[in-house]
Amino acid sequence: GNSVTQMEGPVTLSEEAFLTINCTYTATGYPSLFWYVQYPGEGLQLLLKATKADDKGSNKGFEATYRKETTSFHLEKGSVQVSDSAVYFCALSDSGGGADGLTFGKGTHLIIQP
Amino acid sequence: NAGVMQNPRHLVRRRGQEARLRCSPMKGHSHVYWYRQLPEEGLKFMVYLQKENIIDESGMPKERFSAEFPKEGPSILRIQQVVRGDSAAYFCASSPPRAGSTDTQYFGPGTRLTVL
Repeated sequence: GNSVTQMEGPVTLSEEAFLTINCTYTATGYPSLFWYVQYPGEGLQLLLKATKADDKGSNKGFEATYRKETTSFHLEKGSVQVSDSAVYFCALSDSGGGADGLTFGKGTHLIIQP
Repeated sequence: NAGVMQNPRHLVRRRGQEARLRCSPMKGHSHVYWYRQLPEEGLKFMVYLQKENIIDESGMPKERFSAEFPKEGPSILRIQQVVRGDSAAYFCASSPPRAGSTDTQYFGPGTRLTVL
């Protein structure tokens, strides 16, 4: 079956530090990959996505590249801000073309200190 | 353009009562998904519905849980005879009519169910 593994948190960084949150996946087909962000008390917001190998998703300074050879989709940002503090979820969708539910990782809690 | 709407945002029930959670998808979206988030856990897929049809309920508990998405009105997730272990955040997501694995699912703010 499908699964997503992401690094355990919490991850605590200082403002302007470089961020990497690792995400690896297992899928039977050719999945689409997503990063969602959840701020305290809110629902999930799509941060970025990639739908095929070697695609790079980017948004708000965050980037992630779909690496089929390493089955990874690591999230990176060059200089984090306090406002980036949130829980980040890596997810995949793999249905051979039809729609189905997303498979999520457990989430990584990111804390940015001023 | 309103996003995905869920209500109530917070719901408190005593053991044995029924919980009804409602979800109105984004305008123009005809696919609805329900997920459950337990404390300190990621989201787990429960069920995928289109109008008047359950497409995939592989993540739904076999007993006490049911979902519907009628021709008119919101999607409903119904939990009968709630137990403490049902306490969680329940999120609804929607996607457009031609939904495939590349399409984004848009999430609502969630309903936080507490069972006393």
